[in-house]
Amino acid sequence: SYELTQPPSVSVSPGQTARITCSGDELPKKYVNWFQQKSGQAPVLVIYEDNKRPSGIPERFSGSSSGTMATLTIGGAQVEDEGDYHCYSPDSSGDLRVFGGGTTLTVL
Amino acid sequence: QVQLQESGPGLVKPSGTLSLTCAVSGVSISTNNWWNWVRQPPGKGLEWIGEIYQTGHTKYNPSLKSRATISVDKSKNQFSLKVTSVTAADTAVYYCARDNNVDDIPLDFWGRGILVTVSS
Repeated sequence: SYELTQPPSVSVSPGQTARITCSGDELPKKYVNWFQQKSGQAPVLVIYEDNKRPSGIPERFSGSSSGTMATLTIGGAQVEDEGDYHCYSPDSSGDLRVFGGGTTLTVL
Repeated sequence: QVQLQESGPGLVKPSGTLSLTCAVSGVSISTNNWWNWVRQPPGKGLEWIGEIYQTGHTKYNPSLKSRATISVDKSKNQFSLKVTSVTAADTAVYYCARDNNVDDIPLDFWGRGILVTVSS
């Protein structure tokens, strides 16, 4: 079965740039999407189709993808950006959707 | 504003059937969108369960080994999930969410989630 791999945790100081990666064999051919999830809340889409930002998401959130790795970048991370981040992408058939294991971002 | 709201029993016995409903408001379920179920076991990551289109066409995660069934009720503007032969491994927060097919934005609106515990 298809898997997306993320690091379990990333830690940065406030104002630094946070980078969270997601690797998967189909990423050269499939878009990746990113969700932010704060404790006890539903996930919120922050990046879709590799690098598009939904309405209302701050400009410090950006995305990129190259080869089998995608990266979510938070430029000038703030304490309010703490939480879990999940990448999400389909497999080669497009019929199965897969989430990465999630990355906990700590900003302190 | 699009809103989704999950409902159903919070406790299901092992070997029983989990049944949840997602009520959709602010948009007709008959529009060009896919309607999804996602779950999250306590302390773990997200798992995509499956999705349904207004026509009744469905796609499922094979990891559930055909135990999951998603259906749509256009008259009530809602869709539902059933998971049979549940075990403790099915204990999770279950979310419903919309795939916006009009603007090609995945899972743009989510319900708040409902915790379902499988226990005798």
